[in-house]
Amino acid sequence: DQQVKQNSPSLSVQEGRISILNCDYTNSMFDYFLWYKKYPAEGPTFLISISSIKDKNEDGRFTVFLNKSAKHLSLHIVPSQPGDSAVYFCAASAVQGAQKLVFGQGTRLTINP
Amino acid sequence: ETGVTQTPRHLVMGMTNKKSLKCEQHLGHNAMYWYKQSAKKPLELMFVYNFKEQTENNSVPSRFSPECPNSSHLFLHLHTLQPEDSALYLCASSQDSPTSGETQYFGPGTRLLVL
Repeated sequence: DQQVKQNSPSLSVQEGRISILNCDYTNSMFDYFLWYKKYPAEGPTFLISISSIKDKNEDGRFTVFLNKSAKHLSLHIVPSQPGDSAVYFCAASAVQGAQKLVFGQGTRLTINP
Repeated sequence: ETGVTQTPRHLVMGMTNKKSLKCEQHLGHNAMYWYKQSAKKPLELMFVYNFKEQTENNSVPSRFSPECPNSSHLFLHLHTLQPEDSALYLCASSQDSPTSGETQYFGPGTRLLVL
């Protein structure tokens, strides 16, 4: 049973436009959500996070939105740049079993010049 | 060196070999983790260490044996692996006794191929 799902394995966006990556979860106990970015031959790099007490968190070009009722979060990147091309993972954790980050399968984002 | 480092970066081994993966974190963190990433699957948590004590073993087969001699170093000893164990093995660390809201920082991974 996959508790965190990224249903789009890949996404292609024009440079300068908005990239929207989506993530759905099933466990209502999750209260902290993160996005990681991964380049080939490197480990995942923390990008941005959001606590369940918020519905939006912004950091520069990156904004994460959380819709608790829909158990859905999204990452918006605007404007998209070629260096944003990478695999993006969403992850979630809960106070119970707090050490355990549960990851989605990842979405490969390609930014076209 | 800064961050989380892992050696070797690539490893090819036979099913009867014994090898070890090494992870070192230079962040002053107290918790360390081993993850496995197989092709087209999510990252799977394998082991968690907090202040050198193992606090989680996520139903990992005994052919994988972790060791944490101190808060900065983590090893994964491999013995009689199977071809399906071929994957990217990632080490991560986080600051304190884990609570929800803790960000984990990852190493570059060891890409393992079992023949």
